[in-house]
Amino acid sequence: DAGVIQSPRHEVTEMGQEVTLRCKPISGHDYLFWYRQTMMRGLELLIYFNNNVPIDDSGMPEDRFSAKMPNASFSTLKIQPSEPRDSAVYFCASSQPPGDQPQHFGDGTRLSIL
Amino acid sequence: GEDVEQSLFLSVREGDSSVINCTYTDSSSTYLYWYKQEPGAGLQLLTYIFSNMDMKQDQRLTVLLNKKDKHLSLRIADTQTGDSAIYFCAESDGNTGKLIFGQGTTLQVKP
Repeated sequence: DAGVIQSPRHEVTEMGQEVTLRCKPISGHDYLFWYRQTMMRGLELLIYFNNNVPIDDSGMPEDRFSAKMPNASFSTLKIQPSEPRDSAVYFCASSQPPGDQPQHFGDGTRLSIL
Repeated sequence: GEDVEQSLFLSVREGDSSVINCTYTDSSSTYLYWYKQEPGAGLQLLTYIFSNMDMKQDQRLTVLLNKKDKHLSLRIADTQTGDSAIYFCAESDGNTGKLIFGQGTTLQVKP
């Protein structure tokens, strides 16, 4: 069974550009989570979805960040405009219901904003 | 709010046992988790324990849970160089299901 798939694996772009990160959860997993990992702040939950509906976006740092889940097999995290301080590794994870089941992580997208 | 604390670094010799400790605050957590992260990779679910259990063993891994003290530990028997990684403890928020992660313990295994 395929795990959580994220793309791209690496992204390098210039400040001010729009960045779109993509995630395909494990089939049958109704929960999808977006995390950000940095040396300074560790792992932070940005937003999570249940059945394609955003449940808690309190971790989204600011309005430049947005996330969507148009269907059960696809989610995007968008940063517009990007800034150097957004440089981090972004992880997507999914889990089965109920929401406290083990989360399975993708390999992450390493984002560098120059 | 919820908080999870871990020591930052542990160094052991190959073949020894490693014990990584974690304390948490949310007594309503249903599950507690251990994840492993190798350099440049995502978080791999190692094992987890239901909150009404005291111990769980899975091959070389033993998880001990002291619910009274809100203390969780991961013991790795016969530690190998391939076990070198960052280990994250996480508790699930009993109300929302969100995971609260510790800051991670870097395990260094010397040959």
